[in-house]
Amino acid sequence: GDSVTQMEGPVTLSEEAFLTINCTYTATGYPSLFWYVQYPGEGLQLLLKATKADDKGSNKGFEATYRKETTSFHLEKGSVQVSDSAVYFCALHPYRSNYQLIWGAGTKLIIKP
Amino acid sequence: AAGVIQSPRHLIKEKRETATLKCYPIPRHDTVYWYQQGPGQDPQFLISFYEKMQSDKGSIPDRFSAQQFSDYHSELNMSSLELGDSALYFCASSPGTSGRGNEQFFGPGTRLTVL
Repeated sequence: GDSVTQMEGPVTLSEEAFLTINCTYTATGYPSLFWYVQYPGEGLQLLLKATKADDKGSNKGFEATYRKETTSFHLEKGSVQVSDSAVYFCALHPYRSNYQLIWGAGTKLIIKP
Repeated sequence: AAGVIQSPRHLIKEKRETATLKCYPIPRHDTVYWYQQGPGQDPQFLISFYEKMQSDKGSIPDRFSAQQFSDYHSELNMSSLELGDSALYFCASSPGTSGRGNEQFFGPGTRLTVL
C-alpha cells in the first residue's frame, strides 16, 4: 500500500543553519504531496504542496521539490529561525480516488538560538 | 478568513462515559475528515464524509460513530471511553472530494483526556 517515510527526529540545529528533512514515499501513479507543520500546542497547518512531478512547493522560506525518479519530497530551508521549531509531517494523497491522507511519522525540529 | 472550528477545545471525561466532539467546516467545504493523534504520534485517519454520506473509513473503533449534518457540520460520538482514547482529535475540511491538490484544512483540535 501507499506509505510515507520521514527521517527520524528530533533534529536539532542552530539558528541560521541549513535545514533538510527527508521524505520518501511509496505510491502508485502520481500522488499529490504535502508538508504540514504543527507548532507546539496547535493544530496542523499546510506548509506547502506539489501535485505533479518536478513541481516545487514553497512557503515561508521552505521549499520541497516533487522528485518522481527518487520518490522523494525533501523539505529544505536555507536559514532556520527559532520560530521554526515545530513538528513537520510529510503526507501524500493517493492518485486513485480516495479521501484520506497518508502521513509520515513526523519529524520534530528544535532550533537553538 | 474563516477556518475550521472545533468544539470543545478541551474535554475531560471518566472511563466508560460518552463524549461528543463537534466540527464546523470552512464555508462551502462539503467534505469533513476526522483524525486522532496520540502523544508524539502522526494523525490517524478515523472517518470522512462527503455531502453528508460516509466517504471513507479508517481505524475508527466500533465504540465511535460520526455523522455529517445538512449544514455540513460533523459530530464524532464516542462511547464507553477508555484511557487509550485520550488524544488530540482533529477535524479537517476540503472543498469537494480531496482530489489532486485539494489540501485538507485542519481545525485546532479537541484535546480529550479520559481519567
